[in-house]
Amino acid sequence: IQMTQSPSSLSASVGDRVTITCRASQNIISYLNWYQQKPGKAPNLLIYAASSLQSGVPSRFSGSGSGTDFTLTISSLQPEDFATYYCQQSYNAPVFGQGTKLEMK
Amino acid sequence: EVQLVESGGGFVLPGGSLRVSCAASGFTFSSHWMHWVRQAPGKGLVWVSRINGDGKSTDYADSVKGRFTISRDNARNTLYLQMNSLRPEDTAVYYCAREEMTVSGVNYYYMDVWGEGTTVTVSS
Repeated sequence: IQMTQSPSSLSASVGDRVTITCRASQNIISYLNWYQQKPGKAPNLLIYAASSLQSGVPSRFSGSGSGTDFTLTISSLQPEDFATYYCQQSYNAPVFGQGTKLEMK
Repeated sequence: EVQLVESGGGFVLPGGSLRVSCAASGFTFSSHWMHWVRQAPGKGLVWVSRINGDGKSTDYADSVKGRFTISRDNARNTLYLQMNSLRPEDTAVYYCAREEMTVSGVNYYYMDVWGEGTTVTVSS
């Protein structure tokens, strides 16, 4: 299974609504997770099972989709949200998307 | 506190070997699948290997199959990755991660706890 994220990079401003897309090469039902990674740090789980918010993650983060097309949405971008985001399928052996770098405009 | 701490990274010549470790604390280690994920400098996350709770089931990425071996010592709460025949393209930060799964209805799997990583550099 291949995972393709778009865009690869994105410029946005504080307060913006941001959407990142992840597409699987075959049906993965809802076996899709989202992670945030800041430079020099380990990844941090945001969303699991496509739309479930991990404990402690702010509610401005949300996930949707099923089958092959998924989205991660940040409803109102905060300064601490500038980071790289990865999707990952857990339908079978894990595969990560290539990442989306979210930068300040 | 739930924690994973990697160690054992370092500098190694091509063709050499290295074993990295991941010490777990704050949870029932033997109840969880565990994973190794790596990240080459400036690149994305790449899954490497996983092992089930009793150590009897393992999986590997094609890029490391036959060269890397994942194992665990549940008495010591420690995960290992033995890396042989190392290549320059194995240079990366190696993270260990705990797998969790949802318990109601359909089982969904995700990596909810990560260590800070250990750096492996393969170069002549």
